[in-house]
Amino acid sequence: NAGVTQTPKFQVLKTGQSMTLQCAQDMNHNSMYWYRQDPGMGLRLIYYSASEGTTDKGEVPNGYNVSRLNKREFSLRLESAAPSQTSVYFCASSERGDNSPLHFGNGTRLTVT
Amino acid sequence: GEDVEQSLFLSVREGDSSVINCTYTDSSSTYLYWYKQEPGAGLQLLTYIFSNMDMKQDQRLTVLLNKKDKHLSLRIADTQTGDSAIYFCAEGPGGYNKLIFGAGTRLAVHP
Repeated sequence: NAGVTQTPKFQVLKTGQSMTLQCAQDMNHNSMYWYRQDPGMGLRLIYYSASEGTTDKGEVPNGYNVSRLNKREFSLRLESAAPSQTSVYFCASSERGDNSPLHFGNGTRLTVT
Repeated sequence: GEDVEQSLFLSVREGDSSVINCTYTDSSSTYLYWYKQEPGAGLQLLTYIFSNMDMKQDQRLTVLLNKKDKHLSLRIADTQTGDSAIYFCAEGPGGYNKLIFGAGTRLAVHP
């Protein structure tokens, strides 16, 4: 039982490059989320998908796009990376969106130079 | 807006109790959570408490909630080196799991 799987684990980009972070869950969860973690700031919600076919902005959506490809997969795209997007990115899923517990992946550490 | 605050660092001796504190601002929060993050890993849910409860105990973990002061604490009894991690407090104001996380408390356990 893999839970939430994120790829890649590490990535270095140059300013202006694009990339897609992949996330998949095998728990048949309805809701999926992307967070970023920065030192001293806790986790901040970038985008979420309450259910397959829907996506909504979180607290810090600027510079990102998402796709809920199917029930299992939720990807995060950086179209033109900036140094301010250097962070650790976590994908999470939950059975429902009503305060059911979040299950997190192990994160992607992204550095933008 | 909503805010969750925690002290950033706590150091305890192995075998002692650890108490990690958290304050939050949103009085409408339904659930309050404690997550644990070990190095290189994602966050794992440790425990949670409904806002209509004062206390919850789960083996070595005790959660205390003071709604009047909007204060949440996590007590770990008989702290072990394996408890060394970052502990995040989070509040759930509801609505598609829009949790508000604190910055995390790094717990260091020394012999």
